[in-house]
Amino acid sequence: KNEVEQSPQNLTAQEGEFITINCSYSVGISALHWLQQHPGGGIVSLFMLSSGKKKHGRLIATINIQEKHSSLHITASHPRDSAVYICAAPATIIQGAQKLVFGQGTRLTINP
Amino acid sequence: EPEVTQTPSHQVTQMGQEVILRCVPISNHLYFYWYRQILGQKVEFLVSFYNNEISEKSEIFDDQFSVERPDGSNFTLKIRSTKLEDSAMYFCASRKRTSGQETQYFGPGTRLLVL
Repeated sequence: KNEVEQSPQNLTAQEGEFITINCSYSVGISALHWLQQHPGGGIVSLFMLSSGKKKHGRLIATINIQEKHSSLHITASHPRDSAVYICAAPATIIQGAQKLVFGQGTRLTINP
Repeated sequence: EPEVTQTPSHQVTQMGQEVILRCVPISNHLYFYWYRQILGQKVEFLVSFYNNEISEKSEIFDDQFSVERPDGSNFTLKIRSTKLEDSAMYFCASRKRTSGQETQYFGPGTRLLVL
């Protein structure tokens, strides 16, 4: 069964800083999800990626399948980026229901 | 853009009472999921549902839990006799394809408090 670990658990930065959140997982997978959880608790899917890099606005996600590692970067961070960022991976490499195993989340606070 | 919806957003109930949490997945999606997040803990998988039956369930999903897709649009999670430890945020998610990798779309969650 896959284990997903994130670092750091908490991150505080000043507006404008470049942010990196890391995720590692134990079982080889074909794709990984990055999610954002708002202060109210709702979850939004940011990325699903299986190789290389994806970019959406100021968010960039990278993955190295061989090293079982992914990073989420935020450029020119803004206070509205403050949220919990969660990575999630399929529990197994077997195709099928694709239930997700979640990391513990990284609480990001961007100060003005 | 289509989205997953959940009702209610908040529910407070007494221990031992039955609750039904409702979800409307995205209309052309085929796989449905319930996850939960106890305050301060990781999100954890409860159950997945495909072709009108459970495809996988976790150890948490015991006989007190059941899921149903009664009318082709709603997807419900029932907790028969709630316990204090059932207090959590419950998320519904749906996915389009039956094979390969596909993004799961999450609903906004239902916050359940059992007193």
